[in-house]
Amino acid sequence: EVQLVESGGGLVQPGGSLRLSCAASGFTFSSYWMSWVRQAPGKGLEWVANIKQDGSEKYYVDSVKGRFTISRDNAKNSVYLQMNSLRAEDTAVYSCAREGVVRGVIPDYWGQGTLVTVSS
Amino acid sequence: DIQMTQSPSSLSASVGDRVTITCRASQGIRNDLGWYQQKPGKAPKRLIYAAASLQSGVPSRFSGSGSGTEFTLTISSLQPEDFATYYCLQHNTYPWTFGQGTKVEIK
Repeated sequence: EVQLVESGGGLVQPGGSLRLSCAASGFTFSSYWMSWVRQAPGKGLEWVANIKQDGSEKYYVDSVKGRFTISRDNAKNSVYLQMNSLRAEDTAVYSCAREGVVRGVIPDYWGQGTLVTVSS
Repeated sequence: DIQMTQSPSSLSASVGDRVTITCRASQGIRNDLGWYQQKPGKAPKRLIYAAASLQSGVPSRFSGSGSGTEFTLTISSLQPEDFATYYCLQHNTYPWTFGQGTKVEIK
């Protein structure tokens, strides 16, 4: 059974940093692209970033470029999101999601997410 | 960025009704579009990929169509478990972008 479990969320002040983790199981993690997607409270879904199997390609939504970094450790079956210079508008539930083994396949499995609250 | 305009933003319907949700892309995206269903507090569920391909395990009352800039998700006969919010997602060009969502409520 595919499982994605996020951790690392919490309350952080504006300008602060946070590192999210997503532990994957139930599939060959190193074979899949992986994504982060977020959802602000009561709002819609926003794709944030994704990463190729070997980490050689990464893509971001414009609003997080230069502030967020996606990475992965295939030995630990984990994908990460380092978030710096956090802003109030980054407040959301952040979920990791499994894409496909080839580029351009939308996510099929999602985690339940971890809440990030940016507030003073 | 490609803008996805989803309509309506909400609708009220009865069990058994035929429901259609539309997504329009600000530029052509071929058939690089999927549809998701999300229930409160739950992760999104992929219903349709490649505009018209039904995800395994999803009931056949769900169907998708379209290509280029206009896409539709149709529920042929709405069931009680279908009351949820639906999102389209384009994956033709980075950054991938979602529609704003359509909340389907009980009439």
